[in-house]
Amino acid sequence: GIQVEQSPPDLILQEGANSTLRCNFSDSVNNLQWFHQNPWGQLINLFYIPSGTKQNGRLSATTVATERYSLLYISSSQTTDSGVYFCAVLYGTSYGKLTFGQGTILTVHP
Amino acid sequence: GAGVSQSPSNKVTEKGKDVELRCDPISGHTALYWYRQSLGQGLEFLIYFQGNSAPDKSGLPSDRFSAERTGGSVSTLTIQRTQQEDSAVYLCASSPGFLNEKLFFGSGTQLSVL
Repeated sequence: GIQVEQSPPDLILQEGANSTLRCNFSDSVNNLQWFHQNPWGQLINLFYIPSGTKQNGRLSATTVATERYSLLYISSSQTTDSGVYFCAVLYGTSYGKLTFGQGTILTVHP
Repeated sequence: GAGVSQSPSNKVTEKGKDVELRCDPISGHTALYWYRQSLGQGLEFLIYFQGNSAPDKSGLPSDRFSAERTGGSVSTLTIQRTQQEDSAVYLCASSPGFLNEKLFFGSGTQLSVL
């Protein structure tokens, strides 16, 4: 099956700093999504981005499908950005079966 | 409803008992998914539904696990003869369709098997 690798595994920031999270995948994908899991366990869909670039406030994401990676940018980080960020992909004929990376644990200190 | 609703939010059971977990998707969403997240682990796919049919059951860990969906809406995940290794957060998600769609997750059911 497809391999999804996220880096870094852990990231600690001071409030106001910027960061880049990376997701590498081993095969062509039909669907790529970024999620934030907050400290209470709720998963929030941040972006649906199989290719191209999207922005939503302080967050933006870029997927270069031909090179099999995606980047999530967080600017001017806030303590509420803390949590785990997951990249998830859909590939081949595995409709509905998103494969998740292991996540990046982000901690933002005030 | 406004979001994906799961119940119960917490379930403690004894080894060997059966449990039922419920998921109520966002109104109008035809696709429904079940995932499992064990402590410190990523998300593991269990099963997904398109309407009332389940094209992919490949993630169900054993024949003790089953799921159904009725009326294209509510889904129930049943675990029979629970084991301690079944302890996890069971997450349900829904999407408008099943191809190239964003998934929206519920807040999960924390299952603890003693």
